Amino acid sequence: GNSVTQMEGPVTLSEEAFLTINCTYTATGYPSLFWYVQYPGEGLQLLLKATKADDKGSNKGFEATYRKETTSFHLEKGSVQVSDSAVYFCALSDLQGGSEKLVFGKGTKLTVNP
Amino acid sequence: KAGVTQTPRYLIKTRGQQVTLSCSPISGHRSVSWYQQTPGQGLQFLFEYFSETQRNKGNFPGRFSGRQFSNSRSEMNVSTLELGDSALYLCASSPMTGLNTEAFFGQGTRLTVV
Repeated sequence: GNSVTQMEGPVTLSEEAFLTINCTYTATGYPSLFWYVQYPGEGLQLLLKATKADDKGSNKGFEATYRKETTSFHLEKGSVQVSDSAVYFCALSDLQGGSEKLVFGKGTKLTVNP
Repeated sequence: KAGVTQTPRYLIKTRGQQVTLSCSPISGHRSVSWYQQTPGQGLQFLFEYFSETQRNKGNFPGRFSGRQFSNSRSEMNVSTLELGDSALYLCASSPMTGLNTEAFFGQGTRLTVV
């Protein structure tokens, strides 16, 4: 079945450092890809998405490009802030019989120190 | 616009009991999905409802059930609780289903089984 693999971390960075969180997927067809973020005690918030190959999703300085050839959707940010500390989840959409579900990676905890 | 509301936020139950969790989707959203989040298994899909019909179901035992009402509000029920059912249960709503639309998540219900 469809699956997502992401680096589990935890990742600890200093403020203004460069961030990369790797995500690769296995899927039949061409699913949409997502990055969600979860702050402590909260639910998930959509950070960005890409719906087809070579699409680049971006939001709040974060970017990820849908790479069909490498089946990857790595998350990057040029300069992280303390407020970016959270858990990040890579996910794909799995369409079955007209119903869509999200398949998530295990999550990567990011801590940014001042 | 109000977000996805889940009640209660926290719940403590005893093994063998049953529990009902509630989710009110964003107004106008007709699709509601439920996910279980645990440290060991991560985020796993439970089921999806659209217009009061269960469209998709994850790999969970029959003790896990749900329903959706005509106003799109949804409930999930877990009977004969086990210690392993302790988790954060997240509800997500979408305007439609099967169209790669964004899922909006609630803050979750933290269930602890003792």
